[in-house]
Formats: sequence, C-alpha cells, structure tokens
Amino acid sequence: GAGVSQSPSNKVTEKGKDVELRCDPISGHTALYWYRQSLGQGLEFLIYFQGNSAPDKSGLPSDRFSAERTGGSVSTLTIQRTQQEDSAVYLCASSFSVASGTDTQYFGPGTRLTVL
Amino acid sequence: TQLLEQSPQFLSIQEGENLTVYCNSSSVFSSLQWYRQEPGEGPVLLVTVVTGGEVKKLKRLTFQFGDARKDSSLHITAAQTGDTGLYLCAGAGRDTGNQFYFGTGTSLTVIP
Repeated sequence: GAGVSQSPSNKVTEKGKDVELRCDPISGHTALYWYRQSLGQGLEFLIYFQGNSAPDKSGLPSDRFSAERTGGSVSTLTIQRTQQEDSAVYLCASSFSVASGTDTQYFGPGTRLTVL
Repeated sequence: TQLLEQSPQFLSIQEGENLTVYCNSSSVFSSLQWYRQEPGEGPVLLVTVVTGGEVKKLKRLTFQFGDARKDSSLHITAAQTGDTGLYLCAGAGRDTGNQFYFGTGTSLTVIP
C-alpha cells in the first residue's frame, strides 16, 4: 500500500441517515487526522489520533460526529442523522508522528459526501 | 474564527507572471507548512518552515516565515500552468496544541 486510501470516494445520502467513512493510513504511521473541506475552501480540523493516546476530539462540530481507530490503523468517521450542512469533502491524513509539529501529513483523496 | 487568513482568496494570472500569496495570523506558530491541492486530490506538502525569518527556495517557489512566526508568504516566479491549484498554509505549535490549523486557502489559476 503506497498512500492513504479512503472509501467510499463518493457518498450520496438522504437527510437523517447515518454514514460511515473509512480511512486506511500509511502503514507505520502513528498519527491520523480527519478534516472537512467545503468547496474550494481551507481544511477544518475534526479529530486526530496519536498512537494509543486518547484522541483529540476538539474539532468535532457536534455530537453527531464520532470517530474510531481500531488497532492503531484503520479509522472510521461516523456521522449520525446527517444534515445538508454536513455536505463536504472529508479528508484523512496520516503522519509518522504528531509530536513535533513538523511531520509531513500524507493525505488521502477524500470522500465527497452529499446530503440531499 | 480562522486562526490563519490567506490572501488573496482567488488569483488568476498569465503564464510567466510573478505572484505572492500571504498567510497571516495573530497566533505564534512553532512551524508552518505550505500545501498545494489539485481538484479531486488531497493536499500535498510543499515545504515546512520552523525558524523566524527563515527563507526556503524550491525552484521557482520561495517561502518565507515571518520574524515573529505569525505569518508567512509564498512567492512564485514565472508562473506556469502546472502551478494551478489551491494553496494552503497550515500552522502548528504551542497555541494550537500541536494540531495543524489550516488557512482559508488561495485558489491560483495560471492562464496559458
């Protein structure tokens, strides 16, 4: 596996439904981030995981959003009772370490979520 | 409230022209990164700067970190159509809890 992969690449759902977005980070990377990006805009930080430490959830916009990272590898971002304002591209990134603030984040291609 | 404001938001120039993109904040960062993002893809890291006043050059791209480590600029000389994309700055450090906070983005279009 070369880079970060995300699935699905596109997801269209109806308002009120739950969705799960998946991220497979680069093997060996201990840090994993989720971001949200509206069309042509900057990235909004959602959550990050570092090793076995408790995740930093400070960026999650509401309690409808949650994320897990199983076995220090794959992560799933879950959005419950989706709303139209949740429509965006959800990007995942991984890095070797988050501690230094200088590590390179490697991004996946994103999942484009459309809530009708 | 955005920690990092970028300007301009949109920029359209002719091939061969020079341009500068700015990234400004009231917060101090221990490091600042610049990324470029093409449509349908994730951002790709261009450079990391860590020292106030630091200047880094990558071919036609020149990056500068402000002396106070609150701002940065990206200068492109003789722009090419391949430079087209969304440019994002991202800062990390004491004030951000070592998370990366991304700027608002600058969308650059280079016209042949």
